[in-house]
Amino acid sequence: GQNIDQPTEMTATEGAIVQINCTYQTSGFNGLFWYQQHAGEAPTFLSYNVLDGLEEKGRFSSFLSRSKGYSYLLLKELQMKDSASYLCAVMDSNYQLIWGAGTKLIIKP
Amino acid sequence: IAGITQAPTSQILAAGRRMTLRCTQDMRHNAMYWYRQDLGLGLRLIHYSNTAGTTGKGEVPDGYSVSRANTDDFPLTLASAVPSQTSVYFCASSDSSGRYNEQFFGPGTRLTVL
Repeated sequence: GQNIDQPTEMTATEGAIVQINCTYQTSGFNGLFWYQQHAGEAPTFLSYNVLDGLEEKGRFSSFLSRSKGYSYLLLKELQMKDSASYLCAVMDSNYQLIWGAGTKLIIKP
Repeated sequence: IAGITQAPTSQILAAGRRMTLRCTQDMRHNAMYWYRQDLGLGLRLIHYSNTAGTTGKGEVPDGYSVSRANTDDFPLTLASAVPSQTSVYFCASSDSSGRYNEQFFGPGTRLTVL
């Protein structure tokens, strides 16, 4: 079966760095996405990885290792507004997204 | 409108009633999707449409139907609602020719079936 695993909840301090991990087992791979979802709102696109390595976009970076079925999202210089759920999703061989349950990130002052 | 809209924002529905959730996008995206999101679970695909005039079943299609008469609209119908269909429903769209083929989401419809 297809499976996306990520931690349920993480806590970090304002100004610090946090890494959210995602492991996956899917039928085929056509890219990995990270989305941010604030409580009561819609998910919004953060990053996309299809090749191994690190993609950097401002305070956010995303890493992929296809051989290990592993990705992480790195958030630097954490701000209170970064408190949200972070969703990992893999595009499978049918070009459909398989979603993890999301990681709720709590930022403390 | 800009982006993707859904209606209604929320709805309380008696079991056995028929309900249509509306979704409209103005980005001329070819693909559209309906998901449900339940606490502790990832987004689950209900139905999708790769282009106007075609639809397909996702992971959890039972009890739901869709149509795609044109590019912009993708309504989701619950023929006879049951309490297990209580959820938050998100409509999304994507441009398969885009750089990332990322999905853009509507604001969601919170549905409660009693």
